[in-house]
Amino acid sequence: EIVLTQSPGTLSLSPGERATLSCRASQSVSSSDLAWYQQKPGQAPRLLIYGASTRATGIPDRFSGSGSGTDFALTISRLEPEDFAVYYCQQYGTSPLYTFGQGTKLEIK
Amino acid sequence: EVQLVESGGDLVQPGGSLRLSCAASGFNFGNFAMSWVRQAPGKGLQWVSGIGVTGAGTYYADSVKGRFTISRDNSKNTLYLQMNNLRAEDTALYYCAKKYGSGLHYFDYWGQGTLVTVSS
Repeated sequence: EIVLTQSPGTLSLSPGERATLSCRASQSVSSSDLAWYQQKPGQAPRLLIYGASTRATGIPDRFSGSGSGTDFALTISRLEPEDFAVYYCQQYGTSPLYTFGQGTKLEIK
Repeated sequence: EVQLVESGGDLVQPGGSLRLSCAASGFNFGNFAMSWVRQAPGKGLQWVSGIGVTGAGTYYADSVKGRFTISRDNSKNTLYLQMNNLRAEDTALYYCAKKYGSGLHYFDYWGQGTLVTVSS
């Protein structure tokens, strides 16, 4: 089973700052099978990035994804107030079929 | 507009059973694989089960294998999760999620979830 470890657990930043969230896999992951989601309190997750670097429909271009192999990152170039949420990475594998990281909480400093 | 509406969550005793449903609309349900993903209170996301477009292929997390059964009725645009022998650790908000497409292993639409509480 591939384990995804996200860091940091909590990131405290101010609006306008740049955020970089990390997702490290215990084994190499195909970039095409790595996605990022955003979840706000009381809401379902929302797909942000798929294929490690492709923005989903309607996602602002301040969100970008990068990485390959075992190290992936989600970058938010200039934080807007609505960006403060929990972010999860997800990969597609074999058993289990899908795994999620434990999440990074992005909070207002 | 794509909509996924879950129902069937409830308070149930350990060892009990529940059947969750997810009513889909706004897309050609029979053309997309679907999954159930759960989130325990205050915790992260855990994939539970998935099903292919025809229902012939079904997949489970080890933690629910042998206890949960996923199915779908494409004529009713509905996804199901039969949950038997429930345990306290199954307590969670259960989301149904639509897979992006063939060969694309992400979830582009999620329902709002239905809450399952397993407690005596």
